[in-house]
Amino acid sequence: SAVISQKPSRDICQRGTSLTIQCQVDSQVTMMFWYRQQPGQSLTLIATANQGSEATYESGFVIDKFPISRPNLTFSTLTVSNMSPEDSSIYLCSVKDGNQPQHFGDGTRLSIL
Amino acid sequence: DAKTTQPNSMESNEEEPVHLPCNHSTISGTDYIHWYRQLPSQGPEYVIHGLTSNVNNRMASLAIAEDRKSSTLILHRATLRDAAVYYCILNTGNQFYFGTGTSLTVIP
Repeated sequence: SAVISQKPSRDICQRGTSLTIQCQVDSQVTMMFWYRQQPGQSLTLIATANQGSEATYESGFVIDKFPISRPNLTFSTLTVSNMSPEDSSIYLCSVKDGNQPQHFGDGTRLSIL
Repeated sequence: DAKTTQPNSMESNEEEPVHLPCNHSTISGTDYIHWYRQLPSQGPEYVIHGLTSNVNNRMASLAIAEDRKSSTLILHRATLRDAAVYYCILNTGNQFYFGTGTSLTVIP
């Protein structure tokens, strides 16, 4: 299965600032996704990162708050903009290629003060 | 969104089998049933998936009801390393919608 690296693994940020999270895969994959996991909760899909075009966002998530880039088939970034304490969560990248199962990174643990 | 219902928590004794149930009464004909588990401080890990027939792999077995409205993940001999949150997910196309999951405690 694909090896997924997320950076940073954790961070503590000030409110009002923005943080960009990177997701690197060791092989080319068709699909890349970004999820949020709030404390003690399940995972919620934020968006599908589309290579060479705008991401497809789920209901409740907007591009201005969570801009996403995917310049190639192995890399994507998620930016959490103008952060508030409510954005304190784990942000996870996942990948899927063809009929293979979806695989997840270990996430970025974000705390906003 | 396709929905799944799971018990919030379950307990099992070490080295005994564990049956984790999942209800998905709104499943459509093209939805696959996936199971993932999440250990503390890790991302979800793939366990098994199926469409209609029961499935076995090195980690677990998946039993799917004939009407596909429920399924059961079977861990044949629970170990302490199996303590995790287990998610039952219905998948159509490329998107996964996670339910609340079952937190499994394994008692030594």
